[in-house]
Amino acid sequence: DTEVTQTPKHLVMGMTNKKSLKCEQHMGHRAMYWYKQKAKKPPELMFVYSYEKLSINESVPSRFSPECPNSSLLNLHLHALQPEDSALYLCASSQEAGRTQYFGPGTRLLVL
Amino acid sequence: GIQVEQSPPDLILQEGANSTLRCNFSDSVNNLQWFHQNPWGQLINLFYIPSGTKQNGRLSATTVATERYSLLYISSSQTTDSGVYFCAVERMTDSWGKFQFGAGTQVVVTP
Repeated sequence: DTEVTQTPKHLVMGMTNKKSLKCEQHMGHRAMYWYKQKAKKPPELMFVYSYEKLSINESVPSRFSPECPNSSLLNLHLHALQPEDSALYLCASSQEAGRTQYFGPGTRLLVL
Repeated sequence: GIQVEQSPPDLILQEGANSTLRCNFSDSVNNLQWFHQNPWGQLINLFYIPSGTKQNGRLSATTVATERYSLLYISSSQTTDSGVYFCAVERMTDSWGKFQFGAGTQVVVTP
């Protein structure tokens, strides 16, 4: 099973809301990633977790807060977002950091 | 950071045609991947190919790491091949997992 799941599929939130995105994999992978993708642009790396520890933070604003509660789960907590944060948020996993990545279907986020 | 350039930016093919997509990168890399993003946004890993040649059905890829480029070949194209093709590289001096994506090649295959 090479599936990465993400919930919700779509999310609309106001600038004062707090919400969370969830990502799950059951492939035994030890690296998980968050990417942000704006329309007509390539994915941009936000965070990398390796063995449940944050290994890369690409200078992402603190209104995005990642969490890796266990080796199968990755969350992205959102607070006080701006309209320019509207994008497709993609989660990926790989056996180890830097190996073949498998992506989830993404969450389409709209910030009003 | 590393520069990743993909060409051509857009490609229109008739069904059955062959094509070559190119990815140039500005520094030595540990790892390189090719992805296909379908119109619904799903990214599918096509190849993990830091060097050498691989084939999977109608698709094949070659990476010449010493010359800093990779090629993706699509043969006998089908309408389902439409979408955006990205290459992503991990620079040798960067942390493991720090992949930088190119801007992509938008492919449209017409019946």
